[in-house]
Amino acid sequence: AQSVTQPDIHITVSEGASLELRCNYSYGATPYLFWYVQSPGQGLQLLLKYFSGDTLVQGIKGFEAEFKRSQSSFNLRKPSVHWSDAAEYFCAVGAEAAGNKLTFGGGTRVLVKP
Amino acid sequence: SAVISQKPSRDICQRGTSLTIQCQVDSQVTMMFWYRQQPGQSLTLIATANQGSEATYESGFVIDKFPISRPNLTFSTLTVSNMSPEDSSIYLCSVEYRHKDRVGEQYFGPGTRLTVT
Repeated sequence: AQSVTQPDIHITVSEGASLELRCNYSYGATPYLFWYVQSPGQGLQLLLKYFSGDTLVQGIKGFEAEFKRSQSSFNLRKPSVHWSDAAEYFCAVGAEAAGNKLTFGGGTRVLVKP
Repeated sequence: SAVISQKPSRDICQRGTSLTIQCQVDSQVTMMFWYRQQPGQSLTLIATANQGSEATYESGFVIDKFPISRPNLTFSTLTVSNMSPEDSSIYLCSVEYRHKDRVGEQYFGPGTRLTVT
């Protein structure tokens, strides 16, 4: 069975500072990996995904993530955070062998200080 | 990406009643999913809804409590039956795209916020 761990429940960053959100997954084969963002009162928006190929993937809103197979990680980064990045971020794993069903991590809530 | 709408966006219901949530997509999709997000929690998959077949439920979810319909490739409903306060959650539908490099990519509706009193 696949599982996802986001070790940080809350992160507070200053506006303009860099941000890194951690995600570790457990799955036997190479999974599909996703990062979603949920702003207050909103649905989930797909930030970026990894299926195969280049392990550094670029997403929307200036986010990027790096897949590290040896560490079973898919950490999300942004060089300079904007106040509008305050939201809940979810890492998710899917696999074709599992019918592409997504398993979500517990989420990391990001607060941005002015 | 798809445009996905859900109705209602929110509701307050009495315990013991049922609520049907609708999910409409602006294009035909094969795979649709229903998730529950309990207050302050992550998303948990309830079931997979494929057109023309019975929904497939995840462990801990049963058809009698969460009956699902999928009459065509753009629409699905989830009913929360005989509600209790523990059913207070956000319910989200999602659709999956399967086109070349977009295999397995899911897009989510805005969610239905349900409060049971």
